[in-house]
Amino acid sequence: GNSVTQMEGPVTLSEEAFLTINCTYTATGYPSLFWYVQYPGEGLQLLLKATKADDKGSNKGFEATYRKETTSFHLEKGSVQVSDSAVYFCALLYNFNKFYFGSGTKLNVKP
Amino acid sequence: DVKVTQSSRYLVKRTGEKVFLECVQDMDHENMFWYRQDPGLGLRLIYFSYDVKMKEKGDIPEGYSVSREKKERFSLILESASTNQTSMYLCASSLLTGTETQYFGPGTRLLVL
Repeated sequence: GNSVTQMEGPVTLSEEAFLTINCTYTATGYPSLFWYVQYPGEGLQLLLKATKADDKGSNKGFEATYRKETTSFHLEKGSVQVSDSAVYFCALLYNFNKFYFGSGTKLNVKP
Repeated sequence: DVKVTQSSRYLVKRTGEKVFLECVQDMDHENMFWYRQDPGLGLRLIYFSYDVKMKEKGDIPEGYSVSREKKERFSLILESASTNQTSMYLCASSLLTGTETQYFGPGTRLLVL
């Protein structure tokens, strides 16, 4: 079946540190991959996406590369800010309308 | 910008009550979804709909039903609320094509006493 596994949190970093949140997936066929972010008290918002192997999604300094050989879509940012504190969800889209979400990784950035 | 709105941000109900959660989107999206979000479990799909009057069960449909009488509106119904349905409920919508982003509402935090 299809599934997404992401690293458990919380992840606590100091401002300007490098961030990696790991995400691996299991899927049949060729899914699209997404990172969503949820700020406190809000719904999820799309952070970035990639629709085929070797695509790189990027937004707001975050990046993730669709690696088919390792079935991964790790999220990275070179220098985190306090305002990046949120919960991050990795997700895959299968069969046009079926999304599978990871369990979420909470990021705390301290000043 | 796509806007997905949910009828309530916070709701408190008693066990056995019938509960309606409403979701409206303004971008003519074909797909609409209801998820529940619980700590450590992420988002789990309850039901989705790809057209008016069409619905499909997600991963955890037990104890829930849905209604989609108009394209912009998707309702989640708890026929007889139970304490294990205390959760955050998120509505989302998307276009029908294969690579589309889902747009989420702000969520309804439901407490069943």
